[in-house]
Amino acid sequence: DAKTTQPPSMDCAEGRAANLPCNHSTISGNEYVYWYRQIHSQGPQYIIHGLKNNETNEMASLIITEDRKSSTLILPHATLRDTAVYYCIVRTSGGSYIPTFGRGTSLIVHP
Amino acid sequence: DGGITQSPKYLFRKEGQNVTLSCEQNLNHDAMYWYRQDPGQGLRLIYYSQIVNDFQKGDIAEGYSVSREKKESFPLTVTSAQKNPTAFYLCASSPGHLAKNIQYFGAGTRLSVL
Repeated sequence: DAKTTQPPSMDCAEGRAANLPCNHSTISGNEYVYWYRQIHSQGPQYIIHGLKNNETNEMASLIITEDRKSSTLILPHATLRDTAVYYCIVRTSGGSYIPTFGRGTSLIVHP
Repeated sequence: DGGITQSPKYLFRKEGQNVTLSCEQNLNHDAMYWYRQDPGQGLRLIYYSQIVNDFQKGDIAEGYSVSREKKESFPLTVTSAQKNPTAFYLCASSPGHLAKNIQYFGAGTRLSVL
């Protein structure tokens, strides 16, 4: 699976959009982009995933560049409860799925 | 409720003692995983199982053992050979196939050495 690069930390004001970038320049054509988040002392939680089209669900939006070498997770109206570590993962479709969680981006939402 | 349950939430181990962490899921998932997380670090894979009665070592399997006798259960034993067991342990499960192979995590077990 392709390696990802994320900034170690970011901060955002409550009520504003939080835009978390992820670089995956070696991504292959059949690899999906997944995002999870981990609130302190809890297990990670799935947020969203996509292949090449932009995706949106009740939690967030995922914007994948046309060349698929990078993506951005958008939390449209961040709240204090969105303070967490956010992990970007890429993986192939089908077959074995052994995801690797790096250090992610620590997002702090402040009042 | 459907989900994945880890117990206990906190566990203390004495020197030379083996301890077992429980992980149960009622999601009918084929695949289950154990991860270890140290403070400020990402998750490191200990063991995983794609199907009942089969499991494979992850990146840091030394000092740990697992079993997968039932689809819904994947207990992890931290043996006395694991010299630095203090960490946050996370169990996860996933359908084990298809593109939407989303992992679901338990709440974790925090293990400390007395």
